[in-house]
Parts: sequence; structure tokens; C-alpha cells
Amino acid sequence: AQSVTQPDIHITVSEGASLELRCNYSYGATPYLFWYVQSPGQGLQLLLKYFSGDTLVQGIKGFEAEFKRSQSSFNLRKPSVHWSDAAEYFCAVGADSWVKLQFGAGTQVVVTP
Amino acid sequence: DAMVIQNPRYQVTQFGKPVTLSCSQTLNHNVMYWYQQKSSQAPKLLFHYYDKDFNNEADTPDNFQSRRPNTSFCFLDIRSPGLGDAAMYLCATSRDNGGDKNIQYFGAGTRLSVL
Repeated sequence: AQSVTQPDIHITVSEGASLELRCNYSYGATPYLFWYVQSPGQGLQLLLKYFSGDTLVQGIKGFEAEFKRSQSSFNLRKPSVHWSDAAEYFCAVGADSWVKLQFGAGTQVVVTP
Repeated sequence: DAMVIQNPRYQVTQFGKPVTLSCSQTLNHNVMYWYQQKSSQAPKLLFHYYDKDFNNEADTPDNFQSRRPNTSFCFLDIRSPGLGDAAMYLCATSRDNGGDKNIQYFGAGTRLSVL
């Protein structure tokens, strides 16, 4: 069965500093990996996805993520955060043959001035 | 823009009074999902429609039902809402082919309050 672990429940970062959110997954075959962001009171917005190919993927809002099969990880990064990046971030795993997603518990990001 | 639209954004109902939440999509996706999300938690899948086929999650209470009269619309019916059903309800869509296969696109959600 698929599972996703986001070890950090809450991260506080200063505006302009770099951000890295961790995601570890468990899945027997080649996973589809996603990062979604959710602002308060809103739905989930897709930041980026990995299906195959280049293991470093670029997304919207200046985010990138790197797939490391050996570590079963798909960490999200941003070089310089903006106050508008304060939100909840969810990592999710899917598959080619599976229409459902397994979400991690989420990481709340707080941005301080 | 193609999108997933949920109505209403906020819904207040009384304990035990049936309520219906709606979702429409202009993406022409064949899969539609309903999630329940409580504060500071991950979305929890209630059920999904794969074309016309209804797929219920094993732990979804019988109190929750769904209808999909056509490709574009899907409804979530809560037959007798309890206080524990107060949550954000998210609708999502995806398709099973093409370049964005199995990518889920979400609506803005409906916040349900139960008094």
C-alpha cells in the first residue's frame, strides 16, 4: 500500500530565506509524485508533479522538487520565500494505474518578516 | 478558464437537516472525487466516480451519498448531518488519459457548518 510521510508538521521561515519541505513515500512501483499548496479557506493548487524523466522538476511560484529514488524522497524547495508562500503544503503519491492519491499529513509554513 | 467550481462556498445547516453540496467542471474530466478535510488535516477521500461508476471508500459513513447526473456535475448529499460533519468539502477532477493523466484539480471547497 502507498504511504506518504511529511516529517515536519510546522516550519517557520524568514522572508527571503530558503525553504525545504521533506516528503518520503512508500510505493512498490514507479510513483507519480505531487506537491499541492493550500491557502487558508481555499482548495488545493498543484505546484508541481513528477511522473518520469528528469528528477529535478520545476513548478509554479518558483518552487522545485527533486525525486530521489534511492531515498524514496521528493523534497520541495524554494530559494527565497515570500510572505505569500505562507500556507499548508501537501505531498501526495499516485500511480499510472491508480486514479486515487495518497496524501501526506501536510506541513504548515509560516513566513516571518 | 477551465475549472472546478463548488457551490456554495459556505453552507450552514442544522443538526440532522439534509444538505447538498454541488460541484461542476468544465475540464471534461471523467473522474470526479469528493474529499472531507478537517482543520489542519489532510483531505480524506470519501468516494469517487470513474465515469458513471461509483466507488465508495470503505470507511465512508452511510450518511454520505453522491450523485453524478452527467459528466460535468457531481453532488454530495449528507442525509443527517452531525456536529462531526462540520468540515471543508473538496471536489476534484482528473482524467485517465493524456498528458495530465491522474492529476487531480481541485475546487475552492465548501465550508460546512452544522448548528
